[in-house]
Amino acid sequence: EFVLTQSPGTLSLSPGERATLSCRASQSVRSNEIAWYQQRPGQAPRLLTYGAFSRATGIPDRFSGSGSGTDFTLTISRLEPEDFAVYYCQQYDDSPPWTFGQGTKVEIK
Amino acid sequence: QVQLQQSGLGLVNPSQTLSLTCAISGDSVSSNGAIWNWIRQSPSRGLEWLGRTYYRSKWYDDCAVSMKSRVTVTPDTTKNQFSLQLKSVTPEDTAVYYCARGGSGAAAGLFDHWGQGTLVTVSS
Repeated sequence: EFVLTQSPGTLSLSPGERATLSCRASQSVRSNEIAWYQQRPGQAPRLLTYGAFSRATGIPDRFSGSGSGTDFTLTISRLEPEDFAVYYCQQYDDSPPWTFGQGTKVEIK
Repeated sequence: QVQLQQSGLGLVNPSQTLSLTCAISGDSVSSNGAIWNWIRQSPSRGLEWLGRTYYRSKWYDDCAVSMKSRVTVTPDTTKNQFSLQLKSVTPEDTAVYYCARGGSGAAAGLFDHWGQGTLVTVSS
């Protein structure tokens, strides 16, 4: 079973700054089948990016995914006030169980 | 537009069965292009995939091995919904439970639509 480790646990930034979130897998992810989700307080997770590089429908282009193998990154180019939230990576490689990272909280500095 | 609306009790006694339902609009539980999942979230265990049901010429369902067959996910084609049953609950099953839609093929585990979540507390 895949284990995904996210870092840092908390990222303190100001609006307009760039955010870089990391996700490391315990084994190589076939076909880069990594997704990123955003979760705001009291809401369900929302799909942001998948296949390491593709954005989900309606997601602004300031969100971008990258990486391959075991190391993946979500970049938010310029933080907007609504981007302060918790972000999770998830692997959807092969068969279940699909696993999530423990999350990175992006908070206002 | 796909929407998932959850319903069910928020308080369950220990050793009893947790039951939740997810009503689907904008898609079909019988779709050959979708998979219907249950996922839960707790501070101690994070986001945890529980189980799924889907139709590919016949009905399939499976659950996470870690749940030790306590989980059953069942479709209801007459109401276009699917349900979760979790047997023999303990306080460790206290969590927010979500239903979510997955895709087909390589996107089977990609969750593009989620229900609103239901906080279920296991306590006497």
